[in-house]
Order: sequence, then C-alpha cells, then structure tokens
Amino acid sequence: NAGVTQTPKFQVLKTGQSMTLQCAQDMNHNSMYWYRQDPGMGLRLIYYSASEGTTDKGEVPNGYNVSRLNKREFSLRLESAAPSQTSVYFCASSGSSLSYNEQFFGPGTRLTVL
Amino acid sequence: TQLLEQSPQFLSIQEGENLTVYCNSSSVFSSLQWYRQEPGEGPVLLVTVVTGGEVKKLKRLTFQFGDARKDSSLHITAAQPGDTGLYLCAGKQGAQKLVFGQGTRLTINP
Repeated sequence: NAGVTQTPKFQVLKTGQSMTLQCAQDMNHNSMYWYRQDPGMGLRLIYYSASEGTTDKGEVPNGYNVSRLNKREFSLRLESAAPSQTSVYFCASSGSSLSYNEQFFGPGTRLTVL
Repeated sequence: TQLLEQSPQFLSIQEGENLTVYCNSSSVFSSLQWYRQEPGEGPVLLVTVVTGGEVKKLKRLTFQFGDARKDSSLHITAAQPGDTGLYLCAGKQGAQKLVFGQGTRLTINP
C-alpha cells in the first residue's frame, strides 16, 4: 500500500502559468482533501470531495479548481499562478470507517511561483 | 468558523526535559486530533480524543481533552531528539472537515 501519493514533489512556475497537482490514494477512502501550508498558518483547506462526484469549497478556494476524477484520484489546478500561491500543498484522504474524520496525508508538493 | 490556537508556536528544549503544548478554542469540538509532521513530509496522526476529560498515553506522550471539549494538551516526558517536529492539533468541523491549529514547532537539542 502506497497510501496517498502526490506528483510532482517540487515545481517552479512563472506568474500566469498553469499547472495541475495530482493526488491518488489506494485505501478505498471516500473523502479527499487539498490543503495549503504556509509558515505560521497551519493547514488551510482549499477544496474537498466528500465522495466521488462531489466537490466543495474550503477556507481558501480562490484561484484554484479541483476534479475528482474517480474514487482514487483528486487533482488541484492552478489556472493562472500568482506569487501568493507559493506554498506547500498537501492532499489527504479519509474513509467512512474512520468515525472522527482522521486523515492520511501525502508527502506534499512544494510550489514556488516567481 | 471554529478556530484553534496553539501555544507556544516555537519551543526549543534540551533532551531529557519535559514539555507541554496547548491547543485552545472558544468553540466546542466533538473530537480533537493531534498530528506530528517531520520536515519534508506530510502530517501523521498521533491520537484522537473524543470524551471530555479523556487522557490518552502514547509511550512518553500524554494527550488530554478538556472537560468542556474546548481545549487539549500534549505533554512529553523526557523529550528525545526524535520528538523534534511540528505538532498540529485539529478539530472535527461538521461531518467531513477538520480545522487545524497553526502548529507548535518543537526542537529537542541533544
């Protein structure tokens, strides 16, 4: 079991470029999440998907879009990157058998926007 | 929006000392989790506390949930360099989401 995998691990973009961050989980979890982590800010929820076919905004959705491609995969797209989107991005998943929404995290994508 | 405040934000102590990290809110949470994150990796779940007043122990780590379920603490006894990391508390928000504190960055010096 790989758990939660994310690609790429590192990325440098220029302002205005677009890119998609990929996430996949092999734990048969229903729910998947995208967070960003900035110094002193903890983890802030960007978007989440409670189940296949549904997506909802989190705390900081502006400038991002998501796609729940199937039960395993949840992608995050930056259409026109801005320096304010420089951050570390984490994908997480959670299963219905986990009563308290305990989440399993991927290793992160470190994104720099110049 | 429910908020979680962690204190201290940074803590640097010598190996063998004891420490306590706090996670406070003005809101009631149905459950609260603690995660540890090492550099370059994602957070890893340590424990979930559910009942007010609950105490859980994980080797040298003791977690407590406040009686009113608004706060929690993490106490580490005889800290070791391997305890170094970012400690995050998270409260369940609604059916599907967690809200995270800003984290406590702990450094244990040999």
